[in-house]
Amino acid sequence: AQSVTQLGSHVSVSEGALVLLRCNYSSSVPPYLFWYVQYPNQGLQLLLKYTSAATLVKGINGFEAEFKKSETSFHLTKPSAHMSDAAEYFCAVILQGSGNTGKLIFGQGTTLQVKP
Amino acid sequence: SQTIHQWPATLVQPVGSPLSLECTVEGTSNPNLYWYRQAAGRGLQLLFYSVGIGQISSEVPQNLSASRPQDRQFILSSKKLLLSDSGFYLCAWGSAAGSPLHFGNGTRLTVT
Repeated sequence: AQSVTQLGSHVSVSEGALVLLRCNYSSSVPPYLFWYVQYPNQGLQLLLKYTSAATLVKGINGFEAEFKKSETSFHLTKPSAHMSDAAEYFCAVILQGSGNTGKLIFGQGTTLQVKP
Repeated sequence: SQTIHQWPATLVQPVGSPLSLECTVEGTSNPNLYWYRQAAGRGLQLLFYSVGIGQISSEVPQNLSASRPQDRQFILSSKKLLLSDSGFYLCAWGSAAGSPLHFGNGTRLTVT
């Protein structure tokens, strides 16, 4: 069965520093991959998605992620952290060929702290 | 444009009381609908999903049930709440296989 692993439940960076949030997936077929952001007591907002087109995906708020099949990874990056980036980030996967269910399987989440 | 509404935003209920959370989607037809739960300090767990009216699939055994009486309405229910039902409940919709899900703002349920 497919799964998603996010390495590091908490990541702390200084404002202006590089943000790197790690995500690895396990799947026997290429999946659809997503990153979501969640601010306190709110729903999830889609940051970006990979659906087997370009391997480098650009999203909102300056975030991007690169799909690396050889490493089964989909890490999220941002060159320069902003205080407003402090939130919880979720990596998620939909297995291709799962029919019409469209079920998203989420990683455990990574809380990003941005220090001034 | 499509929108998703979820209510109430917060709810405090005693153990043993019933529950009804409602979710509606506007601006699309025949969406896939989902209920997720997010417990404190944990990720999101898929509880139920529906690909059409009256079609409900349960992902985990639990004290909750779901119904889809109309195309764009999804209801999460319980006859008797347990303390372990506390959490943040999120409704979501999707339009096609492989498309991202769009989430409501969630309901914070506290069972006392």
